[in-house]
Amino acid sequence: DAKTTQPNSMESNEEEPVHLPCNHSTISGTDYIHWYRQLPSQGPEYVIHGLTSNVNNRMASLAIAEDRKSSTLILHRATLRDAAVYYCILKGRGNEKLTFGTGTRLTIIP
Amino acid sequence: DAGVIQSPRHEVTEMGQEVTLRCKPISGHDYLFWYRQTMMRGLELLIYFNNNVPIDDSGMPEDRFSAKMPNASFSTLKIQPSEPRDSAVYFCASSAIPGQDYGYTFGSGTRLTVV
Repeated sequence: DAKTTQPNSMESNEEEPVHLPCNHSTISGTDYIHWYRQLPSQGPEYVIHGLTSNVNNRMASLAIAEDRKSSTLILHRATLRDAAVYYCILKGRGNEKLTFGTGTRLTIIP
Repeated sequence: DAGVIQSPRHEVTEMGQEVTLRCKPISGHDYLFWYRQTMMRGLELLIYFNNNVPIDDSGMPEDRFSAKMPNASFSTLKIQPSEPRDSAVYFCASSAIPGQDYGYTFGSGTRLTVV
């Protein structure tokens, strides 16, 4: 599986937007970019995924670079409940496995 | 929808005892995954099933671990005999079309402590 690189930790102020970066320079043409998050003492939770175009859902937006070698998860207005570890994962078509890295620990400052 | 249901939430057992973790996937999901999470190794995929059939068990650490899925609504992960290094949080997840549409849904996990 192609690897992703994320910062170990980030901080953001409450009610401000948060941009979580992910680098995946070895991404292949059929790899989807998935984001999950894990709140304290809970299982991972699906956030969003995309292939080439930017994606939006009720939780977040995913901005994908034109060359697909990087992407950014955008939380438009962070709340304290968004404090979690965020994982960026590449998943190839036909590959059912999700391989988690170390993710980015997001701290929200009240 | 009650989501993926795991039991028990917490398990404390003595070294050498058999431990059985249980998972009920979301109805209609035909993929089921077992993960283990520790501070040292993070989240690791142990095994996954498709339509009740084990597809890839390459992540199972050793023969002391076994997993079954006797039907579409139930799976077990068994450790026999258990060792202190098996202490971890074990997650079960299920998916319909694997990760392509709505992602995987994880349970709340079973925190296993082997003393």
